[in-house]
Amino acid sequence: GAVVSQHPSWVICKSGTSVKIECRSLDFQATTMFWYRQFPKQSLMLMATSNEGSKATYEQGVEKDKFLINHASLTLSTLTVTSAHPEDSSFYICSARTQRGTEAFFGQGTRLTVV
Amino acid sequence: GENVEQHPSTLSVQEGDSAVIKCTYSDSASNYFPWYKQELGKRPQLIIDIRSNVGEKKDQRIAVTLNKTAKHFSLHITETQPEDSAVYFCAGFSGGYNKLIFGAGTRLAVHP
Repeated sequence: GAVVSQHPSWVICKSGTSVKIECRSLDFQATTMFWYRQFPKQSLMLMATSNEGSKATYEQGVEKDKFLINHASLTLSTLTVTSAHPEDSSFYICSARTQRGTEAFFGQGTRLTVV
Repeated sequence: GENVEQHPSTLSVQEGDSAVIKCTYSDSASNYFPWYKQELGKRPQLIIDIRSNVGEKKDQRIAVTLNKTAKHFSLHITETQPEDSAVYFCAGFSGGYNKLIFGAGTRLAVHP
């Protein structure tokens, strides 16, 4: 299957700072990328969908000014958590699919802890 | 948009028994139905999927069945083993493949 690499795998940051998470498709072109947040013992909650070269579509309740998503190329999407607070601590996972494909391939996830 | 409901939330079985997890979906236009397995702290892994032009698909001990009329699809695991213990999620696409929505998950425990 296709490979999606997410970096970093874990990060600890101070409250009020920003954190950037990268998601790369290593061997295919990802026209669509999905960003999820997963709290302990819960499901994956879709935060936003991004298509290469266009603005991300955010789910209801997700602040677009706080969670900045950039999908500037067919192999890279980034999620920046701005002015992070302890309640933003969670497991963030990206997923990517090709233009014609239906299968979504997942990154390994990033565990964010805001102290 | 698509809404995916999954049952049960937890499932406990003895090793060797079968396990069945069921999901219902709302979007009648949906035509792709994946199942994922997630171990603690790791990424979801696709274990099997089915498209709407077939009613059943099998891969060794894992099978998925689809009932488009009733809008539900089920995961069947036979001869369960302790390493099958994990959280299983069904999912569905919405909005022309622009959203991949997950069910709430089923925590499967297989006891030796």
